[in-house]
Amino acid sequence: NAGVTQTPKFQVLKTGQSMTLQCAQDMNHNSMYWYRQDPGMGLRLIYYSASEGTTDKGEVPNGYNVSRLNKREFSLRLESAAPSQTSVYFCASRVDRSTDTQYFGPGTRLTVL
Amino acid sequence: RKEVEQDPGPFNVPEGATVAFNCTYSNSASQSFFWYRQDCRKEPKLLMSVYSSGNEDGRFTAQLNRASQYISLLIRDSKLSDSATYLCVVNLYNNNDMRFGAGTRLTVKP
Repeated sequence: NAGVTQTPKFQVLKTGQSMTLQCAQDMNHNSMYWYRQDPGMGLRLIYYSASEGTTDKGEVPNGYNVSRLNKREFSLRLESAAPSQTSVYFCASRVDRSTDTQYFGPGTRLTVL
Repeated sequence: RKEVEQDPGPFNVPEGATVAFNCTYSNSASQSFFWYRQDCRKEPKLLMSVYSSGNEDGRFTAQLNRASQYISLLIRDSKLSDSATYLCVVNLYNNNDMRFGAGTRLTVKP
């Protein structure tokens, strides 16, 4: 049981490049989330998916798109990366709204030059 | 006012000390509260939920004060392994948007 996995672990992009961060969970959870964490700030929600086939914006969605490919996988795409998107990105999942405990992946450290 | 606010610290304490962190939140209708622990360059992990009546898990005690809109975490008999950042998390609007505090850094020294 791997829990929540994320790829890649590290990535360096140039301004304007695009990339997709991958996230998968094997716990049969309905809800999945993408957060970013910047120094001195808490995790901020980018997008979430309450169930397969649905996605909603969180606190900081601008510059990102997401896809809930199936129940297991939730990807985050940067269409045109900007230096302000340099951050650590965490994917998380939870069973559903009946329980609030979230399980996090190990994170992706992204630098945009 | 920040929606979820914590004292960033750092808190530097000797082994065996008792240390307490507070976290204030902005929405009086919030229902769910948590403390997560985050080690350096690692993902956050749930430490404990915070229940209305207060709850204890070994050396850790969490409390909720609804009137003053804050939660607290008390760590007794600190261990070196308690060194980490402690994140306050509030389901502020009782939906899918969990709001995180910026974290309080704790270092326990020999």
